[in-house]
Amino acid sequence: GAVVSQHPSWVICKSGTSVKIECRSLDFQATTMFWYRQFPKQSLMLMATSNEGSKATYEQGVEKDKFLINHASLTLSTLTVTSAHPEDSSFYICSASRRDTNPYEQYFGPGTRLTVT
Amino acid sequence: GIQVEQSPPDLILQEGANSTLRCNFSDSVNNLQWFHQNPWGQLINLFYIPSGTKQNGRLSATTVATERYSLLYISSSQTTDSGVYFCAVEHVGANNLFFGTGTRLTVIP
Repeated sequence: GAVVSQHPSWVICKSGTSVKIECRSLDFQATTMFWYRQFPKQSLMLMATSNEGSKATYEQGVEKDKFLINHASLTLSTLTVTSAHPEDSSFYICSASRRDTNPYEQYFGPGTRLTVT
Repeated sequence: GIQVEQSPPDLILQEGANSTLRCNFSDSVNNLQWFHQNPWGQLINLFYIPSGTKQNGRLSATTVATERYSLLYISSSQTTDSGVYFCAVEHVGANNLFFGTGTRLTVIP
């Protein structure tokens, strides 16, 4: 159990367009979902935390109008990169913590590689 | 904020060798997890270990919360163990994981 999926696994888009990434917990209900960004050969940096039905909490330095997060249900969160630019190219990873067992342990999706041309 | 340092940053092992990876953190934590990031980027949960010792096959981990460090032991390493190992901690009062700097392991046949 504790499987998290992401879609798409990779995407190439043109500068100025928007891209939506989906994160789903497949076999459990997620108390909270998290979005991270990872640049090549670097560690993961938390972007935002979201709880179902409430607004996301963004980390300092992350533009909330640029990275729109919607947590529509206990199994789905989406990240929309609006008006993407080449510097937004990165590996985006979501995670979820489950409601029914340990609320602290996080399970990670496979990531989405975004390239903005 | 909390600081999480991992050592060594890079490690090259001959297949079959053993190794110890270290994670030091600067303040009290509620949660500590070890992950293996494979070459495709997937993070695989290895251990949820805020304190104590756990073992899973060739891997084991120990966290000494009072001294603010955790160790990950890999025995009889295999080429499939290659990748980046991260520890991540949840600071007391926080609701999210903060990732360490990572250890890049390469196991050569």
